[in-house]
Amino acid sequence: NAGVMQNPRHLVRRRGQEARLRCSPMKGHSHVYWYRQLPEEGLKFMVYLQKENIIDESGMPKERFSAEFPKEGPSILRIQQVVRGDSAAYFCASSPGTGWMDQPQHFGDGTRLSIL
Amino acid sequence: AQTVTQSQPEMSVQEAETVTLSCTYDTSESDYYLFWYKQPPSRQMILVIRQEAYKQQNATENRFSVNFQKAAKSFSLKISDSQLGDAAMYFCAYDYGGATNKLIFGTGTLLAVQP
Repeated sequence: NAGVMQNPRHLVRRRGQEARLRCSPMKGHSHVYWYRQLPEEGLKFMVYLQKENIIDESGMPKERFSAEFPKEGPSILRIQQVVRGDSAAYFCASSPGTGWMDQPQHFGDGTRLSIL
Repeated sequence: AQTVTQSQPEMSVQEAETVTLSCTYDTSESDYYLFWYKQPPSRQMILVIRQEAYKQQNATENRFSVNFQKAAKSFSLKISDSQLGDAAMYFCAYDYGGATNKLIFGTGTLLAVQP
């Protein structure tokens, strides 16, 4: 049973370009979480999605960042007009639900985004 | 707001010895989960152990155990018989609960294991 798959593993963009990060949850999981890890820091929650719905985006910057989890295909975290401060590791996690028995979340290996 | 604090940025232990990593948290909830995650240089996030707040018994997983003090809001991780492969960043995390179950992480403790 494949785990959470994130791609690309590394992504390099120039300032002003767009970055698209993909996450395929574990089989049977319909809940996806995105976290950001800035250098030398812990992971910070960004957004929680279920299929076709954004449930909680309280950790997402108001501008330039968006996320989706379509009915078919992976979840996408999109960053428009990237700036140097967007350089970070972005982790995706998935779970089958939000009940107590559905913890813990399973994490992917992350995408390291570097902005030149 | 819920917060998680790890007051030890770095720790070091001799191989085969025991080390304890500290974590405190702040919450007004009575039911919640606590976790320790390991992040080796490969950057994978690996679940080490979890604790349900309603359980008084401390969780154990082989060489890893926790000391959960609910009243003190403390959740420390003990690693016994430390091995070189235990060297990593360790993050304490709290389950936000409610409708989202988003995790709140501490800032991490970097553990070095000396041969």
